[in-house]
Amino acid sequence: EADIYQTPRYLVIGTGKKITLECSQTMGHDKMYWYQQDPGMELHLIHYSYGVNSTEKGDLSSESTVSRIRTEHFPLTLESARPSHTSQYLCASSVARGPSTDTQYFGPGTRLTVL
Amino acid sequence: KNQVEQSPQSLIILEGKNCTLQCNYTVSPFSNLRWYKQDTGRGPVSLTIMTFSENTKSNGRYTATLDADTKQSSLHITASQLSDSASYICVVSDRGSTLGRLYFGRGTQLTVWP
Repeated sequence: EADIYQTPRYLVIGTGKKITLECSQTMGHDKMYWYQQDPGMELHLIHYSYGVNSTEKGDLSSESTVSRIRTEHFPLTLESARPSHTSQYLCASSVARGPSTDTQYFGPGTRLTVL
Repeated sequence: KNQVEQSPQSLIILEGKNCTLQCNYTVSPFSNLRWYKQDTGRGPVSLTIMTFSENTKSNGRYTATLDADTKQSSLHITASQLSDSASYICVVSDRGSTLGRLYFGRGTQLTVWP
């Protein structure tokens, strides 16, 4: 079992609220990722980081922002939540050995519902 | 266009039976293929990873095969258990960047009945 944690696990919030989804890992992994997943659909990469002070946008356009001030911590923030943000958000991390051996370890996810 | 297609979309089998899940991909250049298991409400967990030169890899009752020529992979589950009920996701990585871009299938939802 990977040591990667996400909080909260479930969040129901009203439109316009600011939210931060927390993700932390204790494995010392350099790379961290945020994915968005709707029921029955594939995971979409929304943000990733190679290390401290490194953040990049993923393939799926997202209104969220991320920060990487510490190796173990990769929070995702939505400044103003909307119903279209309702989804499951998965955080992952991996060791930067290279793509052929780069297995990602996933957290349990945060199920976000915006009313 | 790089894509990963999985079939069937869903599958119901009885406990103790075997099953095979399929994955077809068009990702190029190919680096590796992974199968993940995702329990409901949880994050995916890696089952197997295969590179271009590997044809088969086992992890307990799970056996994955890869045919890099036809760009097909399968995941065979032997003697299924109730705990095998989950979504099984095929993930293909390319060699086009240092990130090792991942392409995810939509998964096969497996339900094992007692």
